[in-house]
Amino acid sequence: QKEVEQDPGPLSVPEGAIVSLNCTYSNSAFQYFMWYRQYSRKGPELLMYTYSSGNKEDGRFTAQVDKSSKYISLFIRDSQPSDSATYLCAMKKPGSARQLTFGSGTQLTVLP
Amino acid sequence: SQTIHQWPATLVQPVGSPLSLECTVEGTSNPNLYWYRQAAGRGLQLLFYSVGIGQISSEVPQNLSASRPQDRQFILSSKKLLLSDSGFYLCAWSAGISYEQYFGPGTRLTVT
Repeated sequence: QKEVEQDPGPLSVPEGAIVSLNCTYSNSAFQYFMWYRQYSRKGPELLMYTYSSGNKEDGRFTAQVDKSSKYISLFIRDSQPSDSATYLCAMKKPGSARQLTFGSGTQLTVLP
Repeated sequence: SQTIHQWPATLVQPVGSPLSLECTVEGTSNPNLYWYRQAAGRGLQLLFYSVGIGQISSEVPQNLSASRPQDRQFILSSKKLLLSDSGFYLCAWSAGISYEQYFGPGTRLTVT
């Protein structure tokens, strides 16, 4: 069983929709959570990071962490065609130096 | 601001040939540096990380090696490439005790 599970999609939504992207994890030791956006043939770009349970908002993006359920989400409001990309969750557990554990990514397409 | 460079952007090499990929970071000192490989449709696999000059930790046994000859330079090498070495190679950096990692544009390697 992978430590971090992420639905690969693909996920297609119409422009303006609210998008929900999710990851589950099995190890309760994970404490630091990140979301990356990766456009085709480009390096991942850090979107958001959070160290605690609850919600963190940045513009159209909201990161949600539920440690009791071992579940994290990224919500995108008013989605745009430019949001079309693969979204990767990442997390870190104490004692693992600087290593992050990544999900396999969800491919999102926002249709105009 | 910090900038991370990787070159070359794409590379096609025959099996058995040597490899050298370079990564440099600007705008920061003593970064933590990382090499990842991303296979098609899969997540990121950490290959090497470095917390300082000459300090390299290997995560996956393979025919690749890494070196850090200068504070902000990280090199990925191989003496003889295998077909299975094909993939998208990403360099990343993080600052001090921070866990957020920032990625370069990547090198797409095809071994033929």
